[in-house]
Amino acid sequence: GAVVSQHPSRVICKSGTSVKIECRSLDFQATTMFWYRQFPKKSLMLMATSNEGSKATYEQGVEKDKFLINHASLTLSTLTVTSAHPEDSSFYICSARAGGVSGYTFGSGTRLTVV
Amino acid sequence: DQQVKQNSPSLRVQEGRISILNCDYTNSMFDYFLWYKKYPAEGPTFLISISSIKDKNEDGRFTVFLNKSAKHLSLHIVPSQPGDSAVYFCAASARSGNTPLVFGKGTRLSVIA
Repeated sequence: GAVVSQHPSRVICKSGTSVKIECRSLDFQATTMFWYRQFPKKSLMLMATSNEGSKATYEQGVEKDKFLINHASLTLSTLTVTSAHPEDSSFYICSARAGGVSGYTFGSGTRLTVV
Repeated sequence: DQQVKQNSPSLRVQEGRISILNCDYTNSMFDYFLWYKKYPAEGPTFLISISSIKDKNEDGRFTVFLNKSAKHLSLHIVPSQPGDSAVYFCAASARSGNTPLVFGKGTRLSVIA
């Protein structure tokens, strides 16, 4: 079935640094990818919709200058957390429409810890 | 305003019995509903889905029921097994166009041996 590969699975960074998270669609092309964020014991909240070759669409309250999204190819979308702060510590998950029964495939997630 | 609601944060069920997880939605544009199972520090795993043209979909031990008039769906797991213990998320989308899923807050199911 369709697979979305997400890396890294876990990252610890210092405050003020930037972290890049990659999501690759394997064996299918993803014109659109969705980026979610999950706080402990909370739901998956949509952050932004990433469209290949165009600017991402951000949800209300999500700072586009802080969470930079690039979707330069049909198989790769990246999320860069810039000038990270401890409150950015969270679980980030990407998702892509892949057809099939479920239609949506999720990456394995990235646990970001900012110290 | 939460469009997808799972009002029970947790549920404990004895092994072999039925687990019923409930979900309500408010957006009448939603026409596709999915249930995901999630373990900590992992991405959601798809379980079962249902289109709004149906009221029931069954896959092995998992059955999803949809009541459109009540904007309510439920996931039944029978018989429940200890390996079913996880957080279950209800999700919905309006399938016209490339729209994202909207998730509920999840229900933590604990199946006790």
